[in-house]
Amino acid sequence: SQQGEEDPQALSIQEGENATMNCSYKTSINNLQWYRQNSGRGLVHLILIRSNEREKHSGRLRVTLDTSKKSSSLLITASRAADTASYFCATTYFGNEKLTFGTGTRLTIIP
Amino acid sequence: NAGVTQTPKFQVLKTGQSMTLQCAQDMNHEYMSWYRQDPGMGLRLIHYSVGAGITDQGEVPNGYNVSRSTTEDFPLRLLSAAPSQTSVYFCASTRRGGGQRNSPLHFGNGTRLTVT
Repeated sequence: SQQGEEDPQALSIQEGENATMNCSYKTSINNLQWYRQNSGRGLVHLILIRSNEREKHSGRLRVTLDTSKKSSSLLITASRAADTASYFCATTYFGNEKLTFGTGTRLTIIP
Repeated sequence: NAGVTQTPKFQVLKTGQSMTLQCAQDMNHEYMSWYRQDPGMGLRLIHYSVGAGITDQGEVPNGYNVSRSTTEDFPLRLLSAAPSQTSVYFCASTRRGGGQRNSPLHFGNGTRLTVT
């Protein structure tokens, strides 16, 4: 079964607005990663946050991790049309090398 | 630097046929894996390998075989295709180092398989 579940399943916003998507998981993790998938393409790694980190930034991306709530959020600021894609969280947990993906959030940026 | 290369891009099979999906990477990554992606299901792990000669099952291994004779290649074999195997298949690789736990996956662009 999926380790991570994203919320919402789909999100549409105006260009320039901020987009926030959330990921919840079930068991203690080693790290959590976010990936982007453009239509018809493979996934591209965005950012990795370790279990002992609470927040991480990369350009217009901000990721937070709350291990007590077993949740993470991805914030994309000042959205652009090119941000239209599906976004997935993925987790690894201690003692296991597998990376388990959630079901994704479909983000649409309206020009 | 090609990264992860998957072939073919598209394939149509009849029920019962067999085929091999190819995956090759040129980054000297120890860890390679196969996922399938279905609508509303996200990506599910089929098989993975932590190095040449070592493979293990993922979440949905039934109906698929893998082998890892070289670091570069990780083919996925469908033994007897079924309509339930209609999906998009992704190969991904990463450095192992301290385990793939701390390394991002590099994905190929996928193979879209239809089984009729």
